[in-house]
Amino acid sequence: SQQGEEDPQALSIQEGENATMNCSYKTSINNLQWYRQNSGRGLVHLILIRSNEREKHSGRLRVTLDTSKKSSSLLITASRAADTASYFCASILNSGYSTLTFGKGTMLLVSP
Amino acid sequence: GAGVSQSPSNKVTEKGKDVELRCDPISGHTALYWYRQSLGQGLEFLIYFQGNSAPDKSGLPSDRFSAERTGGSVSTLTIQRTQQEDSAVYLCASSQDSGGTDTQYFGPGTRLTVL
Repeated sequence: SQQGEEDPQALSIQEGENATMNCSYKTSINNLQWYRQNSGRGLVHLILIRSNEREKHSGRLRVTLDTSKKSSSLLITASRAADTASYFCASILNSGYSTLTFGKGTMLLVSP
Repeated sequence: GAGVSQSPSNKVTEKGKDVELRCDPISGHTALYWYRQSLGQGLEFLIYFQGNSAPDKSGLPSDRFSAERTGGSVSTLTIQRTQQEDSAVYLCASSQDSGGTDTQYFGPGTRLTVL
């Protein structure tokens, strides 16, 4: 079963606008991570937020985590055409397993 | 230092043939993971190696899939008697340890096409 579900499935914005992607999950997590994937190949780790954290920043990225709602959001500010990619949330479950469980991703298109 | 590398980058094979996919993790990383990504889908966990422990094979979809990790470094994922539904991008990742808090670094993947 899918642990993470990203929302929206696709997002199209103009350069300079902010992009917000959401992720919901089902079971208790140890941490939640966001990855970016270009052209359906390798994933690049963006940011990790632990279950006891509520917000984290990295450059133009801002991630929030609400464990009571089992949800996370990724905000990309002042988007650029180069941000065009698929974004996935992934979680490490509290069940003791170290494998990441991924959602299906949000496809972001940033137009110049 | 070098990242995770995978070979081949693309593999086209005929249904029924066996294929081997290779992963070279980042030097010193004790944990190694294989995932599969079908078109337009998220990643599906296949198998996980941690040090000298027995691998977690819980994600392997059938007994046609197997993986080895020799010397705690290079890993090979083998798919026997390939089927068309095996067509996907196979991604390998490594991390420093299995504490569940370490970032996983992904290779570029092998795109497998079964005709």
